[in-house]
Amino acid sequence: AQSVTQLGSHVSVSEGALVLLRCNYSSSVPPYLFWYVQYPNQGLQLLLKYTTGATLVKGINGFEAEFKKSETSFHLTKPSAHMSDAAEYFCAVSGPSGSRLTFGEGTQLTVNP
Amino acid sequence: NAGVTQTPKFQVLKTGQSMTLQCAQDMNHNSMYWYRQDPGMGLRLIYYSASEGTTDKGEVPNGYNVSRLNKREFSLRLESAAPSQTSVYFCASRDLAGWASSYNEQFFGPGTRLTVL
Repeated sequence: AQSVTQLGSHVSVSEGALVLLRCNYSSSVPPYLFWYVQYPNQGLQLLLKYTTGATLVKGINGFEAEFKKSETSFHLTKPSAHMSDAAEYFCAVSGPSGSRLTFGEGTQLTVNP
Repeated sequence: NAGVTQTPKFQVLKTGQSMTLQCAQDMNHNSMYWYRQDPGMGLRLIYYSASEGTTDKGEVPNGYNVSRLNKREFSLRLESAAPSQTSVYFCASRDLAGWASSYNEQFFGPGTRLTVL
């Protein structure tokens, strides 16, 4: 069984500040990990994913995430927040077969001017 | 490519009414999924279809039925709607096969916002 915990349902940062959204996972098999972003009244779109190989993964819009097996974490970061980053972010995990994704509860990011 | 499309975008039902949510994808994907999104609960899987002709229950299947009409289309039916089914419904698809960089990524539609009174 797999699960995802996102710490903090709401995160607020100032424009230009570091963004850190936390995700911890539980998986009995080597996981595939994903971050999705959802803008208001839209569907989800993929930000980045980790499957195998390099543990620091770069995604779209300047976001990156690091897979840390020892900490079972996959935190999402961006060095400098932009107003357009305001959205809801979801972490998700699947197993090697990849048939199903298990999502976290989401983190709403607010960017203040 | 339109990607994943869903109809309708909005729907209001009365308790006990039935309706079918439609989903289609033009990416030749094998797998298709139906999720519901409720505040503070993330996305929960209702049903999925790993390939044409197969369907399986997800986390919250009660009160729903699905049909994988062909490789492109996957519909979700509410036989007797209840207020607890008020939610935003998302359809997604995924390509199981091959070495594409999107391996294991799910592509989402824009959602259907359903209110049951």
